[in-house]
Amino acid sequence: DSGVTQTPKHLITATGQRVTLRCSPRSGDLSVYWYQQSLDQGLQFLIQYYNGEERAKGNILERFSAQQFPDLHSELNLSSLELGDSALYFCASSRSTGLDGYTFGSGTRLTVV
Amino acid sequence: AQTVTQSQPEMSVQEAETVTLSCTYDTSESDYYLFWYKQPPSRQMILVIRQEAYKQQNATENRFSVNFQKAAKSFSLKISDSQLGDAAMYFCAYRSVEREATDSWGKLQFGAGTQVVVTP
Repeated sequence: DSGVTQTPKHLITATGQRVTLRCSPRSGDLSVYWYQQSLDQGLQFLIQYYNGEERAKGNILERFSAQQFPDLHSELNLSSLELGDSALYFCASSRSTGLDGYTFGSGTRLTVV
Repeated sequence: AQTVTQSQPEMSVQEAETVTLSCTYDTSESDYYLFWYKQPPSRQMILVIRQEAYKQQNATENRFSVNFQKAAKSFSLKISDSQLGDAAMYFCAYRSVEREATDSWGKLQFGAGTQVVVTP
C-alpha cells in the first residue's frame, strides 16, 4: 500500500457519459498529480494541484476537469466520454515540490464502451 | 519542453545477470532531477532511484545503480544480479526544478518505457 488511495479501481461506462475518479493523497502530501496511461500515448501528465490550487496543466482535454478539496483529496471529472478515453488513470502525490519523487496510487482502469 | 527517450522497447536478461537500460533526455536547464520508476504487472508505479543533476556521484539503491552523464544527457539504469521480481516496465522520468519553467514545473516527463524480461 503506497498510501495514495484511488477509487474506483475499475470503471466501465458508455460513450457520452460522465465519470468521477477520486484520489486521496498520502498523509502529509500537499501536491496531487493526475496522469493518463494509454497503450499508444504512454504516461501523459494531465494536471497538478498544490494545497487546493491548480499549479500546472498538461495535455488535459477540455472535457476533463479536476479539483483538490480542503481535505486535500482530489477528483478528476471526465465528461462526454469517448472510446479513446479508455486508459489507466493514475493519481500521485508528493510533499510539496515533488523532488523526492512522487508516490503513485494503484490507478483507475477506465473502459469506455 | 523537455523530452525523454528510451530507445529500447524490450530487454531480456537471465537471472543473476546484469542488464542496463538506456535513457536520454533533452533540456536546456542546468538543474533538474531524474528518476527511474518500475511498473510491474500489478500496474503500480514504484520509484526505483533518483538523481539530482548537480550531484556528480551516481545514485545507488541496492542492486540498482545509475550512470549519469550530464554533458551527454544520458541517464542509464543498471540492474545487477537480476531477479524474477525485477520483471517489469521501467520508465525514465525528468523533473524540472526551475520555477521559471512554469509550463513544466511540478511535472514528471516520462519516457516510453522499457520492458524488462527476466528468464530463469
